[in-house]
Amino acid sequence: SQTIHQWPATLVQPVGSPLSLECTVEGTSNPNLYWYRQAAGRGLQLLFYSVGIGQISSEVPQNLSASRPQDRQFILSSKKLLLSDSGFYLCAWSGASGISYEQYFGPGTRLTVT
Amino acid sequence: DQQVKQNSPSLSVQEGRISILNCDYTNSMFDYFLWYKKYPAEGPTFLISISSIKDKNEDGRFTVFLNKSAKHLSLHIVPSQPGDSAVYFCAASALLQTGANNLFFGTGTRLTVIP
Repeated sequence: SQTIHQWPATLVQPVGSPLSLECTVEGTSNPNLYWYRQAAGRGLQLLFYSVGIGQISSEVPQNLSASRPQDRQFILSSKKLLLSDSGFYLCAWSGASGISYEQYFGPGTRLTVT
Repeated sequence: DQQVKQNSPSLSVQEGRISILNCDYTNSMFDYFLWYKKYPAEGPTFLISISSIKDKNEDGRFTVFLNKSAKHLSLHIVPSQPGDSAVYFCAASALLQTGANNLFFGTGTRLTVIP
C-alpha cells in the first residue's frame, strides 16, 4: 500500500530564517506530487506540483520554492521566511498513469513564523 | 476568490440520522469533485468522489450528489455514527496537464454526531 510521510510535524521559525520541509512517498512509482498551504481561515491552496524528477510548476507567486531530487521525494524551501509564510503545509500525491483525480495527503506541517 | 464554498461551518446530527453537507462552486470548468474527511493534526483523507458527467455516486453509507445546473454538490451520510465526527472538505478538480490536477478546497464543515 502507498504511504506518504512529511516532516517535521510542527516548526517554529524566526522571520528571515531558511526553511526546508520534506515529503516522501512509498509504494508507488512516478507519482504526481503537490504542495498545498492552508492559511488561517482559508481553504487549501496549491503552491507547487511536479509530474516528474526535476519538473516543478508553481501556481502562485511567493517566497517559496520546491524541488524534486528523486522520484518520490518532494521538498519545499525558502531562503528567508516571512510572517505571511505561516500556515499548515500539506504534501499530496496522485497516480501518474492516465488521469488520476484523487490526491492523497500527508499528515502536514504546522509552520509558525515569529 | 473562493471558487468552492461550504457555507455551513458546523453541523450537529443525532446518531443514526442523516447528515447532509453542502458545497457550492462557481467555475463550470471543474470536471471532478471530491470529499475529504479531516481529523485534528492530520492531513485530509479521501472519502468519495464524483465525475461531472454523473449526478450520484454511492459508497456504503456515503452518497455524493451533483447538480451541475445549480453548481451544487452534497454529501449524505446515512446512518451517521459518532466516528464520523470530523471536518469535511469539499474539493473541485481542474486539470493542469496530463495526469496532474489542482484541487480547489472549501473551508470545511465540522460535523458532530451526537451519541
